[in-house]
Amino acid sequence: ETGVTQSPTHLIKTRGQQVTLRCSSQSGHNTVSWYQQALGQGPQFIFQYYREEENGRGNFPPRFSGLQFPNYSSELNVNALELDDSALYLCASSRTGETGETQYFGPGTRLLVL
Amino acid sequence: AQTVTQSQPEMSVQEAETVTLSCTYDTSESDYYLFWYKQPPSRQMILVIRQEAYKQQNATENRFSVNFQKAAKSFSLKISDSQLGDAAMYFCAYRTSLLKGAQKLVFGQGTRLTINP
Repeated sequence: ETGVTQSPTHLIKTRGQQVTLRCSSQSGHNTVSWYQQALGQGPQFIFQYYREEENGRGNFPPRFSGLQFPNYSSELNVNALELDDSALYLCASSRTGETGETQYFGPGTRLLVL
Repeated sequence: AQTVTQSQPEMSVQEAETVTLSCTYDTSESDYYLFWYKQPPSRQMILVIRQEAYKQQNATENRFSVNFQKAAKSFSLKISDSQLGDAAMYFCAYRTSLLKGAQKLVFGQGTRLTINP
């Protein structure tokens, strides 16, 4: 059973650019959630995807968008990057439909915006 | 909205001793899930233990156990026989049991645990 993977591990962008982060869910999981973790803080929920549709969204602007593919992998896209977007981006997968399903996290992508 | 508070930014313990990390939360829901995650310097968030609010029995996983006080909305983590590999940032998290909408995790600010040899 493969775990959650994310790519790339590190990324450096400049303000105003666009970025795409990728996540492959754990085998058997059908739901992907994305979180933003600023340095020294707890993760903040961005959005969740289930059955290729957004299933809920946190307090993030529309320039944060995502996709889920038929194989349950997912992308997080951020347009018009701002300095405050510098953070660790975590992807978590789970299996919706199981009672109390647990979210399992990938290793994260560290994004630095200059 | 649910909130999670970890009042101890940093804790330290001697190797082989016991340490307790505190967590309180606020919710109007009667059924929910609580989690402790560990995040070592490698950054990967690792599940430590999970508690269902409808269960009165406290969860245990080897050296890790919780003290779940539903009325007080308290969920502390006890680590027994602390090992050097336990050094990490520990996050308490809340998740609704409602099936409608996103099953999002609400995290506390974290507690950095240091193990002294």
